[in-house]
Amino acid sequence: AQKITQTQPGMFVQEKEAVTLDCTYDTSDQSYGLFWYKQPSSGEMIFLIYQGSYDEQNATEGRYSLNFQKARKSANLVISASQLGDSAMYFCAMREGVTNFGNEKLTFGTGTRLTIIP
Amino acid sequence: GAVVSQHPSRVICKSGTSVKIECRSLDFQATTMFWYRQFPKQSLMLMATSNEGSKATYEQGVEKDKFLINHASLTLSTLTVTSAHPEDSSFYICSATGTSGGSYEQYFGPGTRLTVT
Repeated sequence: AQKITQTQPGMFVQEKEAVTLDCTYDTSDQSYGLFWYKQPSSGEMIFLIYQGSYDEQNATEGRYSLNFQKARKSANLVISASQLGDSAMYFCAMREGVTNFGNEKLTFGTGTRLTIIP
Repeated sequence: GAVVSQHPSRVICKSGTSVKIECRSLDFQATTMFWYRQFPKQSLMLMATSNEGSKATYEQGVEKDKFLINHASLTLSTLTVTSAHPEDSSFYICSATGTSGGSYEQYFGPGTRLTVT
């Protein structure tokens, strides 16, 4: 079974609209972390937002928010007021069994290519 | 924020030769570094986990003798692709995590695009 599933290979969104990128995950661990990264055409991976499994509040970082629904095992990324510069690949990732911050490997989803239309 | 660099950013080599890619943490000490490979229009696949001063842990299906990883210091890890072949052409990305427990995200390098002719 896939640990991270991103079902939207591509999305087109009008500029200034909000967009939700879907991510579901599968783990039996109680302690885990969920990440979203942006990868523009240059290839660099840009960290956007993080949600810990024990965090009760949904994470927010500027225009990015993470809609964390633990029972459904979903961690959707919401981008508000989209901009042309948001056009990129977006990857959801999970770190399982967090015991020593930052030293566990990440498993990535297949990504969603977001295109913002002027 | 923490910065990770990679060198070179692009490299073209002939089939059968070896290529070394460097990954450096510029402003923090990285006890753990990760090496990923990304084929065009695909996701990142973890190749190996590298801990300073010890042998790397390779993911299943990754050839240890082909992809040599050395993490000799807290700021430098290297990936050497030995006897490269065209199928090794890919985008290689490293990431690093700091020694402080307060940092929970991995910092990624800008990647190295390898083309084997």
